[in-house]
Amino acid sequence: DIQMTQSPSTLSASVGDRVTITCRASQSISSWLAWYQQKPGKAPKLLIYKASSLESGVPSRFSGSGSGTEFTLTISSLQPDDFATYYCQQYNSYSLTFGGGTKVEIK
Amino acid sequence: EVQLVESGGGLVQPGGSLRLSCAASGFTFSIYSMNWVRQAPGKGLEWVSYISSGGSSIFYADSVKGRFTISRDNAQNSLYLQMNSLRDEDTAVYYCARDPMAAGGTTFDYWGQGTLVTVSS
Repeated sequence: DIQMTQSPSTLSASVGDRVTITCRASQSISSWLAWYQQKPGKAPKLLIYKASSLESGVPSRFSGSGSGTEFTLTISSLQPDDFATYYCQQYNSYSLTFGGGTKVEIK
Repeated sequence: EVQLVESGGGLVQPGGSLRLSCAASGFTFSIYSMNWVRQAPGKGLEWVSYISSGGSSIFYADSVKGRFTISRDNAQNSLYLQMNSLRDEDTAVYYCARDPMAAGGTTFDYWGQGTLVTVSS
C-alpha cells in the first residue's frame, strides 16, 4: 500500500495567515491526490482533486500543488471557518489511502 | 439535493455481524461508483471498500478483506456493507461516500452523516 505522510500534525495560526500543509507519498502517485477538510462531528468535504483542481464551490483561497511524491495545500489567508482538520488522499492505486491529518488550530 | 443516509450501526460483540445500509437520493445512483470510508474515534480516515456503478468491480482494504462484503441495489438506490467476524479495531463511524468520477480516479464528493459501529464485549 502507498503510505501518505502529512506534516505538521498540528498547526497553530491566526486569521489572515498564509498556511501550508505538506503531504508526502511513499511512491510516485503522479497527480492523483485529493485534499479534504473535516470539522468535528461532521463528514469530510472535498476541497482539491488531481493535486491542484479546485472542487466546485470551494473558496479560491485554497490551492493545491505538487506531483510525484510531494504535495502541498495552501490557504492564502486563513479565515475563521478554516479551523479544521485537513487530510490528503491518494487515488493512484487501490488500496486508497489517507494521510494522518493536520489539525489547524487558532493561535 | 444529494443525500446519503447511513443506517444499521450499533453495538455488537467481537466475532459478530452487522449490515450497514446507505440510502441515496437526489442523483442518479445507478451511474456512480460508491465507497465506504470509516473513522475510528479520535482517529483519521480509512477507506474500506469500493463498488463500481454496476457492481462488477469491487475493491477492499486489506484490513477488511475476507470479512466485509460491499453490495448495491440500483433499483432501490441503496448501498450495503455486510460486516462479519467483527473485531474491536472495526469500531468506527462508517460513512458512505460517492465517487464523482470526474477526478481521474476515486475521490469522495458527497458523504453521509455516518453510522457508529461499536465492537465490544
